Amino acid sequence: TQLLEQSPQFLSIQEGENLTVYCNSSSVFSSLQWYRQEPGEGPVLLVTVVTGGEVKKLKRLTFQFGDARKDSSLHITAAQPGDTGLYLCADPGSNSGYALNFGKGTSLLVTP
Amino acid sequence: NAGVTQTPKFQVLKTGQSMTLQCAQDMNHEYMSWYRQDPGMGLRLIHYSVGAGITDQGEVPNGYNVSRSTTEDFPLRLLSAAPSQTSVYFCASSRTGTGYSPLHFGNGTRLTVT
Repeated sequence: TQLLEQSPQFLSIQEGENLTVYCNSSSVFSSLQWYRQEPGEGPVLLVTVVTGGEVKKLKRLTFQFGDARKDSSLHITAAQPGDTGLYLCADPGSNSGYALNFGKGTSLLVTP
Repeated sequence: NAGVTQTPKFQVLKTGQSMTLQCAQDMNHEYMSWYRQDPGMGLRLIHYSVGAGITDQGEVPNGYNVSRSTTEDFPLRLLSAAPSQTSVYFCASSRTGTGYSPLHFGNGTRLTVT
């Protein structure tokens, strides 16, 4: 199973600050998904990136896929308390997508 | 839209007891899966199904059974609960099961085994 490493593990910031979280692997991703999980709920898909160098924006969230498709980042501009949650990256692994492989996540706390 | 519905939300079991975690989806998705989430371990795949009548093991299948008699339902059975099975369990479904199709998760079942 491909190992997905997410960093940092924890992040606590104040409202209005910017932040970046990372997802890395020693192997090439065929595609990569980012999910956000709020306390007491299941993860919800934010974005899927497929092409090396791809950049996708979702309001204040910017997702980048590395040129070599071995890394990805999520940048949040002017964080808000509603951004609090666990951010997970996931890839299809080596089983034709039937075993989505998750990183351990970055736990983000945004305080007013 | 109900999406993926899991019941119960909370459960406490004693070691050796059995129970079934229910999962139902109303999106006509072919692919369904069960994950467990533990602190510091992330989400780990227990079992998955690519359609009615077809199931397969994931990363951590021991101690769990599944069946898929209909497209809508994918129950997870704990045959003889152990403290190591204390966890939060998530059921998920997707249209195709590939990395290009989003997983839709339920809100989880929080299980404690004493």
